[in-house]
Amino acid sequence: GAVVSQHPSWVICKSGTSVKIECRSLDFQATTMFWYRQFPKQSLMLMATSNEGSKATYEQGVEKDKFLINHASLTLSTLTVTSAHPEDSSFYICSVWGSTPYEQYFGPGTRLTVT
Amino acid sequence: DAKTTQPPSMDCAEGRAANLPCNHSTISGNEYVYWYRQIHSQGPQYIIHGLKNNETNEMASLIITEDRKSSTLILPHATLRDTAVYYCIVRVGDTDKLIFGTGTRLQVFP
Repeated sequence: GAVVSQHPSWVICKSGTSVKIECRSLDFQATTMFWYRQFPKQSLMLMATSNEGSKATYEQGVEKDKFLINHASLTLSTLTVTSAHPEDSSFYICSVWGSTPYEQYFGPGTRLTVT
Repeated sequence: DAKTTQPPSMDCAEGRAANLPCNHSTISGNEYVYWYRQIHSQGPQYIIHGLKNNETNEMASLIITEDRKSSTLILPHATLRDTAVYYCIVRVGDTDKLIFGTGTRLQVFP
């Protein structure tokens, strides 16, 4: 069964609005979660590391004020795309490490379309 | 961060073994090699990982060269459902990060 869930699976929003994407770890507690972005026909790009109870760590070139990450509990991390623009349209995927330290589980992804 | 190099695409006949190569010449001694695959519009799926020794599970085998500069993922009997993009990833040092390369698009044909 699914280990990581995301909600919504797809969302369409208007330019200038904000949209929140949820990532839930279903089977275990996760002090750390990861957020990736994937443009069509491209690979996954790590955006940030979400840390429970503390600030997220962003990869170089990712705007922390635009992509707000909140990791308020051990099973939930949220990514908010603020003032979304069409260029933010992408596939957003979260992941967590499993209870053994060797496998990272990925969510099913959220497809964001900004019109 | 250790980078990986993979061929952009490969074809394989159904029922035959698919051998997907990966070069990671800058890998450090404590860095693991991971393989994931991604079927269109889905999240990546874990396949296998290894450090030094060859590994096998129900999905695939991983062959790592003695100098650890390259590896090969083997799908022993490819099926049409194995058509996907396969990513060879080096886990970054002591961190929990997985940095994806460009991957190999495997097309299995009847």
